[in-house]
Amino acid sequence: KAGVTQTPRYLIKTRGQQVTLSCSPISGHRSVSWYQQTPGQGLQFLFEYFSETQRNKGNFPGRFSGRQFSNSRSEMNVSTLELGDSALYLCASSLLAEQFFGPGTRLTVL
Amino acid sequence: QQQVKQSPQSLIVQKGGISIINCAYENTAFDYFPWYQQFPGKGPALLIAIRPDVSEKKEGRFTISFNKSAKQFSLHIMDSQPGDSATYFCAASQRNAGNMLTFGGGTRLMVKP
Repeated sequence: KAGVTQTPRYLIKTRGQQVTLSCSPISGHRSVSWYQQTPGQGLQFLFEYFSETQRNKGNFPGRFSGRQFSNSRSEMNVSTLELGDSALYLCASSLLAEQFFGPGTRLTVL
Repeated sequence: QQQVKQSPQSLIVQKGGISIINCAYENTAFDYFPWYQQFPGKGPALLIAIRPDVSEKKEGRFTISFNKSAKQFSLHIMDSQPGDSATYFCAASQRNAGNMLTFGGGTRLMVKP
């Protein structure tokens, strides 16, 4: 069974731009969660989508948004990028409680 | 507000020794406690998980000990190997509230040959 895939793997953007990251979950998994990982703040929950509906949301500003499609694939969008948004963005898919992470997208904001 | 506190931040163990990482949580509604292993450049990989109705779970060289009254849980890696050198994260979630994991700060483990 293929694992969680994330594209692109690396991104470089400048302040003020926006970015869209993509995540394809494990086949059959309907829940997709997004996390931000930074050296300073560690792993922080962004949001979770289940059957195309946002089920949970973390404590991030409205510049961070996401969506899920009918095939369970998910995208997250960050608008008006700030330097502090530089991070590894991780997607995780789950069928039940166990979450399986993708390799992440490394976003650098210059 | 950090709801899951993990210690130590870093750990050096000799090959064959026991690595012990501890976590404490605050939210008594948490009912699922996984441990993840992360290598540089990779996403976290699920190692082992426990629910609060058991006090210990063992899978191979990895054991979780859980103390519900103290709101603490720990990971023991027996016979530690250099290949175990990685960053380990504990986490917690409330299963009936979706799949929102709250992570500890991580422990960087180095196993010396």
